[in-house]
Order: sequence, then structure tokens, then C-alpha cells
Amino acid sequence: QVQLQESGPGLVKPSETLSLTCTVSGGSISTHYWSWIRQPPGKGLEWIGDIYDSGNTIYNPSLKSRVTISVDTSKNQLSLKLSSVTAADTAVYYCARGVRSYYYEIMDVWGQGTTVTVSS
Amino acid sequence: DIQMTQSPSSVSASVGDRVTITCRASQGISSWLAWYQQKPGKAPKLLIYAVSSLQSGVPSRFSGSGSGTDFTLTISSLQPEDFATYYCQQTNSFPRTFGQGTKLEIK
Repeated sequence: QVQLQESGPGLVKPSETLSLTCTVSGGSISTHYWSWIRQPPGKGLEWIGDIYDSGNTIYNPSLKSRVTISVDTSKNQLSLKLSSVTAADTAVYYCARGVRSYYYEIMDVWGQGTTVTVSS
Repeated sequence: DIQMTQSPSSVSASVGDRVTITCRASQGISSWLAWYQQKPGKAPKLLIYAVSSLQSGVPSRFSGSGSGTDFTLTISSLQPEDFATYYCQQTNSFPRTFGQGTKLEIK
């Protein structure tokens, strides 16, 4: 059974870079695509971006200039970097496994989420 | 971007009630729609995909319907564990977008 675990600093200073890792256990990171999603306190879900087994990435245009998603297959981990953060980037950050077929595309396994606060 | 609008934003209901939540897309998304359930402090959980396909392990009291731009999630007989927030999501195009959520509360 695949499990995902996010990790990283819970506090980041404004203008710095947020860096998170998602460790995949119970399965290979090479066999699916992977997503990052975030949720500001008390608000809804925002898709950040996807990374595919080809290494290709697609980002939310609202964050594209600041986001980098990558995979380390040797460690079975994916990572998220978000630069020049502000208080608006304070959120719970989730990683999720993506599954794509001919007629659906879903995020079927999610990590528990990690809270990141941007504050000096 | 495709805007996903859910209604109502919140609803109060009792155990045993039938509840319907609506999700409207700003443009046609064919069948590229999923529903997620989120409980406080927890990650979202996939309930339904491709409009009406039930994810493995999800009780059959949950069902989905619709096409094009208008979709519904129905819970046929509410159970205590169903009180949560529900989100629809489109995967027809990028960026992937979610509805704002519908909070289902106990009456």
C-alpha cells in the first residue's frame, strides 16, 4: 500500500525559498505522475503542479515563475521548491499520486500534509 | 482557467437525510470530474471520479452524475462519518481547479 509523507521546515521567512520533500513508500515513484496541492488556512484547495514519469512538469500559471517540482528516483522522493515566498504562501502543502487513464485522471493517494508558515 | 462553482457553500442535514451538492464548470469538461471529501485536519480523500465512478472502498450511498458543465454529488442516507467538506475538481485542462468546497454540517 503506497504511502506519502511530506516533510520540510514549518517556518519560512518572507522572500526566501520554501523547500518540501515527499517520500513515497510501498511503491515506485517511477510508475505514476505526482502532484503538489496546497490549502491556505480555512480556504480551499489549490493545485500547484504535476511531474510525470518522463520528467516533464506542468505548473499552475499563477505560481509558475516561482515553482520547481522534481523527482529523485534513487530516493523515491519528489520535491517542491517555491521561491520568493510571502505570507500568501502560508498553507498546508500536500503531495499526491496521480493516475491517468483514457477517461479519467485522479489523485488517489495523498500525504497527510505539512503546514508551512511564512513569517519573519 | 476553468472556474468550478459549488452550491451550496454549506448545508445542514441530519443523519439519514439525502443530500445533493452541485458543481458547475465555467466551460464544458466532458467527464473529467472528481469529488473529494475532506475532514478537519486530514488530507482530501477521493470519492468519485469520471463523474460517477466510485473509488474502491467508498460506500455505495455516494453517487455522482452530470455531464458537460453541471454535476452533482449525492449522499443517499447521511451517516455520522459523512459530515465533512466536499470538493469537486476538473482535470479536463490545465490548470487543474477545484470548487470552493461545500461544508456538510450536522443539523
